[in-house]
Amino acid sequence: DTGVSQDPRHKITKRGQNVTFRCDPISEHNRLYWYRQTLGQGPEFLTYFQNEAQLEKSRLLSDRFSAERPKGSFSTLEIQRTEQGDSAMYLCASNLLGTSGTDTQYFGPGTRLTVL
Amino acid sequence: RKEVEQDPGPFNVPEGATVAFNCTYSNSASQSFFWYRQDCRKEPKLLMSVYSSGNEDGRFTAQLNRASQYISLLIRDSKLSDSATYLCVVNTFPTGNQFYFGTGTSLTVIP
Repeated sequence: DTGVSQDPRHKITKRGQNVTFRCDPISEHNRLYWYRQTLGQGPEFLTYFQNEAQLEKSRLLSDRFSAERPKGSFSTLEIQRTEQGDSAMYLCASNLLGTSGTDTQYFGPGTRLTVL
Repeated sequence: RKEVEQDPGPFNVPEGATVAFNCTYSNSASQSFFWYRQDCRKEPKLLMSVYSSGNEDGRFTAQLNRASQYISLLIRDSKLSDSATYLCVVNTFPTGNQFYFGTGTSLTVIP
């Protein structure tokens, strides 16, 4: 399977715990995005990387959230001191920025986080 | 004001019906436009890109009106399998790099 993969698919944690999610993009894609989606809403942008550089972060992203893409391939999203409001689906997407512009995004299956 | 606005619906239509969804965007610098489909508890998947001249893919037709900052999706001869949430997506490349999603429009096709 050469699509975007995410791990774990589901995570249940207690409030105050730290969690880390992993995303493996399509191998030739240089851009990787993280989104959060809650019920009845569209995906909400969190941050994105071009290769290993984190180029943009949403103003809505609190300092409890951090993301890395150390070698320009897979990425991790960590949430520290989780809160019940962090419960959501966390989606990863990747695409290829070429000379003709930005290509469409391809999404992974998501990690569903439940904070008790 | 939200970057992308959609009527959330729900739209409940009989099989064979024609249904249209609309979407407006606020940033006139937006350059790329897409419709994504999202099934319940699944990830969004690209349905079609939207080109300035309008484009068609089988039963699906997308239109873009830059002057009014408006995008539409028309589905003809609705099938039960078309039941899903349809997300309007806008990107402002090259002036920006974020993809902005609408809240989605829910469609249920009834037998």
